Amino acid sequence: EAGVAQSPRYKIIEKRQSVAFWCNPISGHATLYWYQQILGQGPKLLIQFQNNGVVDDSQLPKDRFSAERLKGVDSTLKIQPAKLEDSAVYLCASSLTGADTQYFGPGTRLTVL
Amino acid sequence: AQTVTQSQPEMSVQEAETVTLSCTYDTSENNYYLFWYKQPPSRQMILVIRQEAYKQQNATENRFSVNFQKAAKSFSLKISDSQLGDTAMYFCALPTPTNDMRFGAGTRLTVKP
Repeated sequence: EAGVAQSPRYKIIEKRQSVAFWCNPISGHATLYWYQQILGQGPKLLIQFQNNGVVDDSQLPKDRFSAERLKGVDSTLKIQPAKLEDSAVYLCASSLTGADTQYFGPGTRLTVL
Repeated sequence: AQTVTQSQPEMSVQEAETVTLSCTYDTSENNYYLFWYKQPPSRQMILVIRQEAYKQQNATENRFSVNFQKAAKSFSLKISDSQLGDTAMYFCALPTPTNDMRFGAGTRLTVKP
């Protein structure tokens, strides 16, 4: 069974630029999560989708972050404009249902200069 | 509110020995899951073990086992016969009622040859 795929693996941008991350969850998984992991900390949820609907985006900085999950499969997370404090690893995870085990992708390491 | 506390930022163990990582948590839920995830330097978050709170029997996966004490809200991970490949960050995690996974700050485990 293929795992959660993410791209790119690394991205370096300058502040005020925009960036987008892509995630392909495990086939058949209805729930998709985006987490932000700052160095030395545990991941923190940014947004949760159930199929193509948003379940929880209370911790998403909506003035600069946006996310979508078209057709209830792949998802993209965008930051525009980026700030220095956005430097982190962005993890995508999926689960069969909302209450099930979450499986994580390899993450995208973002560096904002 | 769901909280997870890992009080050991770093630990080390000799190869082939046993080590126990501590985790305490707080929740008002009665039925819930608890997880231990491993994050090696390569960054991919991998599920180690899962415990269902309504089960009194402690979960076991090969060399990994937990000591789950529901009344004390304690969920420790025991790694037996430690191997070099066990070197990683270990995160204890507890889902919220909306399935937002709350992670502890992590314990960095180093297995020494």
